[in-house]
Amino acid sequence: DQQVKQNSPSLSVQEGRISILNCDYTNSMFDYFLWYKKYPAEGPTFLISISSIKDKNEDGRFTVFLNKSAKHLSLHIVPSQPGDSAVYFCAASNGGTSYGKLTFGQGTILTVHP
Amino acid sequence: GAGVSQSPRYKVAKRGQDVALRCDPISGHVSLFWYQQALGQGPEFLTYFQNEAQLDKSGLPSDRFFAERPEGSVSTLKIQRTQQEDSAVYLCASSSRGSLTYEQYFGPGTRLTVT
Repeated sequence: DQQVKQNSPSLSVQEGRISILNCDYTNSMFDYFLWYKKYPAEGPTFLISISSIKDKNEDGRFTVFLNKSAKHLSLHIVPSQPGDSAVYFCAASNGGTSYGKLTFGQGTILTVHP
Repeated sequence: GAGVSQSPRYKVAKRGQDVALRCDPISGHVSLFWYQQALGQGPEFLTYFQNEAQLDKSGLPSDRFFAERPEGSVSTLKIQRTQQEDSAVYLCASSSRGSLTYEQYFGPGTRLTVT
């Protein structure tokens, strides 16, 4: 049972344009959501997060939007840069577990063309 | 500052062999997690430690998998009698207790290949 889903395996974007990565979840107990970026042969690196009490969080070029009623979140990268090319993972946590065990999506490969 | 380190980075084992994977978390981080990442998939939770206590091992796929963190810092994931389906990248992550963001810092992983 895939509780966190990233339905787009890959996304290709031109440099300078917006990248939009999507994520859906099924578990209504999730109350914290994170995006991680992963380069080959490296571990995932934390990018940005959002609590379920908010609907938007912004950090520089990265903005995460949360739609609780639709159980959907998205990551916007504006403007996209070639260095953003990586695998992006959406992850969710249930605060009730009190220690932040993460459930990940399958990942989306983002390619930003110069 | 030093991040999370893991060793070895790559391990090839013959089916039936035992392996031990090491994780050095960020100094002072109370929480330590192990995840398994199969090819083309996201990481999947294996087990969780708070200091030396293993509070959750619900993700361990079988009793061939064993993890320990005896002094509350370095952790070892041991796999006995390895099988081909154990081939994956094993990721270790740590976080500081009381973090409001549930932010976990990951190591580079150990790629295990069972032949």
